[in-house]
Amino acid sequence: DQQVKQNSPSLSVQEGRISILNCDYTNSMFDYFLWYKKYPAEGPTFLISISSIKDKNEDGRFTVFLNKSAKHLSLHIVPSQPGDSAVYFCAASDGSNYQLIWGAGTKLIIKP
Amino acid sequence: DVKVTQSSRYLVKRTGEKVFLECVQDMDHENMFWYRQDPGLGLRLIYFSYDVKMKEKGDIPEGYSVSREKKERFSLILESASTNQTSMYLCASSSPLAGTGGKQFFGPGTRLTVL
Repeated sequence: DQQVKQNSPSLSVQEGRISILNCDYTNSMFDYFLWYKKYPAEGPTFLISISSIKDKNEDGRFTVFLNKSAKHLSLHIVPSQPGDSAVYFCAASDGSNYQLIWGAGTKLIIKP
Repeated sequence: DVKVTQSSRYLVKRTGEKVFLECVQDMDHENMFWYRQDPGLGLRLIYFSYDVKMKEKGDIPEGYSVSREKKERFSLILESASTNQTSMYLCASSSPLAGTGGKQFFGPGTRLTVL
């Protein structure tokens, strides 16, 4: 049973435009949501997170929005740059602080 | 700068060999994790440890074992490597402190090929 879903395996966006990556979850007990970025042959790197008590968190070009009623979060990248081409993983924490529950990832391709 | 290091970036082994993957973190984290990543399947948890000598099975522990004798080191062992264990293996660590949101720090990964 997939508790965290990223329904788009890939997304292609023109350089300079907005990239929107989506993530849905089923467990209302999740208290933190995190986004990671992964380049080929490298480990994932933390990008941005949001607590369940907030609905928005911003860090430079990256903004994460949380809609608890819809159990949906999204990552916005504005403006998109070639270096943003990577696989993006959404993850959720249930408060135990031991494990993260991961989505399958979305491959973002930024076209010049 | 915080760091998680893995013993090899690339490894080629033969079917039936015993394989050791080592991971070391310098952040004094209690929690350590081993994942494998395969295309389209995301990150799948193999084992994790929340203290020295403690280990818990993740989602796909079959064919693997782990060892955590020291806080900073977490080893993954493939007792008898098989071709379906060809994958990218990722080690991570985290602190259990409240407010961290379970944030995990990853090593660079080991690309293991079993022939």
